Amino acid sequence: AQKITQTQPGMFVQEKEAVTLDCTYDTSDPSYGLFWYKQPSSGEMIFLIYQGSYDQQNATEGRYSLNFQKARKSANLVISASQLGDSAMYFCAMSLILTGGGNKLTFGTGTQLKVEL
Amino acid sequence: DTGVSQDPRHKITKRGQNVTFRCDPISEHNRLYWYRQTLGQGPEFLTYFQNEAQLEKSRLLSDRFSAERPKGSFSTLEIQRTEQGDSAMYLCASRETSGNSYEQYFGPGTRLTVT
Repeated sequence: AQKITQTQPGMFVQEKEAVTLDCTYDTSDPSYGLFWYKQPSSGEMIFLIYQGSYDQQNATEGRYSLNFQKARKSANLVISASQLGDSAMYFCAMSLILTGGGNKLTFGTGTQLKVEL
Repeated sequence: DTGVSQDPRHKITKRGQNVTFRCDPISEHNRLYWYRQTLGQGPEFLTYFQNEAQLEKSRLLSDRFSAERPKGSFSTLEIQRTEQGDSAMYLCASRETSGNSYEQYFGPGTRLTVT
């Protein structure tokens, strides 16, 4: 079974600073994908970034980058130049890619990020 | 591309009543997922469809829960004889299975409160 661990229930960052949200994962399957989603108070889950287990380079999407360390089984999200609108709950998730199971997502418990002036 | 939509957004019901939620995925997304999210937790997988076929159900999906996707487009999730423990946000997501993209796109959710 897959497991995602997010050990930071809450984080604070000042506007325009960078912040790292931690995520570790556990799976014995060699083929998997790692995802980060943002959930504002409105409730909708917004896809941010994806990293495949065989991808050689760390994924980047605008101000978001995923620091993928396979040997340590970590997939931390880095948000650069934080903005007030980044205040939200952030979830790390994973899915198996080749094994059956429909690529369903397994989520962590989330990190609540608050961006301050 | 209008995104994933869900209806209703909020539902309050009394214990013992039946409720039904609807999800309209992104058009041409052949895979559709249902998740449940309780307060302070991440979403948990309930079931998924490939076109009209329901291919997997979680153990979380008791006999009181049933999901359908009759024509491979929209899906419904019905809960019979609701219990207070069913109170949660029910999220629907969809994705396409062609190409190398694995991200799922979520709807706004249906928040169920059972009194």
